[in-house]
Amino acid sequence: AQRVTQPEKLLSVFKGAPVELKCNYSYSGSPELFWYVQYSRQRLQLLLRHISRESIKGFTADLNKGETSFHLKKPFAQEEDSAMYYCALSTSYGKLTFGQGTILTVHP
Amino acid sequence: DAGITQSPRHKVTETGTPVTLRCHQTENHRYMYWYRQDPGHGLRLIHYSYGVKDTDKGEVSDGYSVSRSKTEDFLLTLESATSSQTSVYFCAISESMGLAGDTQYFGPGTRLTVL
Repeated sequence: AQRVTQPEKLLSVFKGAPVELKCNYSYSGSPELFWYVQYSRQRLQLLLRHISRESIKGFTADLNKGETSFHLKKPFAQEEDSAMYYCALSTSYGKLTFGQGTILTVHP
Repeated sequence: DAGITQSPRHKVTETGTPVTLRCHQTENHRYMYWYRQDPGHGLRLIHYSYGVKDTDKGEVSDGYSVSRSKTEDFLLTLESATSSQTSVYFCAISESMGLAGDTQYFGPGTRLTVL
């Protein structure tokens, strides 16, 4: 069975500092990985997915199949990055399995 | 925001009563999903639909049923609500469902409290 683990419930950084949100997964097949974000009083929305290899709002994430990880990184955090972040895995059946979520707080 | 609405947005009910939550979309997407969001658990899939009258169970389907009589509407029913079903419920839609890494678009959520 597939599983997604986000080991940090809470993560605090100061504005301008680098930030890394960790995500590890277990799945025997070929995974599709996503990061979704939920800003305060907004809907959950897609931030990025590994298949598109995009950088969104300065965030990047690299799929490391050897370490089964898909960590989200940004070199210089901004206050508007404060939000709940979910890592998610899509299996061959297309259903999403979410991690427990990480609340990122960026202090001024 | 994708054209997804959920109703009601907030509901307080008593243990043992039936509750129906509605998800309505205007995007004509084939796939629809119901999730619940709980602290420490993230989002967990309850049921999903891959077409009109075609539904299947997700990870946490016990105590829930769904129906989809029209493309645009996906109903989630708690037959006899329990306190453990107190949660925030999200509906999502997607155009397809497969290895292409398709995006799911989420509704605003329904906060349900079962007393």
